[in-house]
Amino acid sequence: AQKVTQAQTEISVVEKEDVTLDCVYETRDTTYYLFWYKQPPSGELVFLIRRNSFDEQNEISGRYSWNFQKSTSSFNFTITASQVVDSAVYFCALSEAGRDDKIIFGKGTRLHILP
Amino acid sequence: DSGVTQTPKHLITATGQRVTLRCSPRSGDLSVYWYQQSLDQGLQFLIQYYNGEERAKGNILERFSAQQFPDLHSELNLSSLELGDSALYFCASSPAGGNYGYTFGSGTRLTVV
Repeated sequence: AQKVTQAQTEISVVEKEDVTLDCVYETRDTTYYLFWYKQPPSGELVFLIRRNSFDEQNEISGRYSWNFQKSTSSFNFTITASQVVDSAVYFCALSEAGRDDKIIFGKGTRLHILP
Repeated sequence: DSGVTQTPKHLITATGQRVTLRCSPRSGDLSVYWYQQSLDQGLQFLIQYYNGEERAKGNILERFSAQQFPDLHSELNLSSLELGDSALYFCASSPAGGNYGYTFGSGTRLTVV
């Protein structure tokens, strides 16, 4: 069965520091998809990134970067030069290929960026 | 605006009552998913519909039911409500399956008193 673990329940950093959010996943499928979603204080869920299991290239989007390592079943998310607006709950998630392709979410990491 | 519309945004009701939450998916999306977000349980998958048919079921209580109509909108019915059902209920849609990622609605906050 698929499972996503975000061991960090809450992190606080001072603005402009870099921060990495950890995500470890479990799946028996060889084809699967990984996601990160952001939930700001306003409550909506915002899609950040999707990555398939065959693409291990790291990705950078502005201050955001993602490190996917199949060998350790990890898909970590780094925010560089954090800003107060980055304060949110971040969810890592996983879906498997096939008929049952629902997305399973980790419990989230609450990130506080202190001014 | 994500394109996924959920109504109502807020709902306060008493224990034992029944409520219906409504979701209109993004135009062109065939799959609808329902999730429950409570403080201690995170985002829990409830149920998925694809083009009118139930496709996957998660930890959905027997008191809860859902359906997807021919126009692809979906409704989640919660009955015999208990205090513990208080949560944020999200609907999400995708073009086909979850592998494409979801677009989420803004959620319905249900408070049972």
